[in-house]
Amino acid sequence: SQQGEEDPQALSIQEGENATMNCSYKTSINNLQWYRQNSGRGLVHLILIRSNEREKHSGRLRVTLDTSKKSSSLLITASRAADTASYFCATDTTGGFKTIFGAGTRLFVKA
Amino acid sequence: GAGVSQSPSNKVTEKGKDVELRCDPISGHTALYWYRQSLGQGLEFLIYFQGNSAPDKSGLPSDRFSAERTGGSVSTLTIQRTQQEDSAVYLCASSPGTANSYGYTFGSGTRLTVV
Repeated sequence: SQQGEEDPQALSIQEGENATMNCSYKTSINNLQWYRQNSGRGLVHLILIRSNEREKHSGRLRVTLDTSKKSSSLLITASRAADTASYFCATDTTGGFKTIFGAGTRLFVKA
Repeated sequence: GAGVSQSPSNKVTEKGKDVELRCDPISGHTALYWYRQSLGQGLEFLIYFQGNSAPDKSGLPSDRFSAERTGGSVSTLTIQRTQQEDSAVYLCASSPGTANSYGYTFGSGTRLTVV
């Protein structure tokens, strides 16, 4: 089963609106990462938040992490058509080598 | 190079043939990963290399799949006797160290179609 699960599976918003995507996971983690994928090819690393951090910002991106609820959220403010992509959360496991990706949220921003 | 390079970008092969997919990671990145992504799905972990050794091969779907890494750099994923269910995008990623501390840099992937 997936370590990380994104919610919603798909999201459609108007340009200028904010987009919020959620991720839940099952086991203890060292860090959680968010990635963006355009057109089903390579993923781009957006942000990494460590287990001892609660919030992190990068430009229009805001990520929160609640380890007690085993959940994270990615907020994109003032969305643009170019933000249209699939967004994945990814978690390592404490002591593990690999990073497990969820199934992703497909975001569509209408101009 | 400046990024992770994968070749070929697209490969169409007949069922039963063998294929080799190549990944050239960022220079100096010791960790290298292979993932597989079927259409509209998330990423499925295949194998992880630290240097030339593979501490975790748990994701390889069958013994038709193998991978090696030489010189702590280029990696090759080989699929023998390809089947139609092998059709997917194969993604390679590298990282400066272990997965736990760094984000990955992904290549653009190889889209494999088995006909």
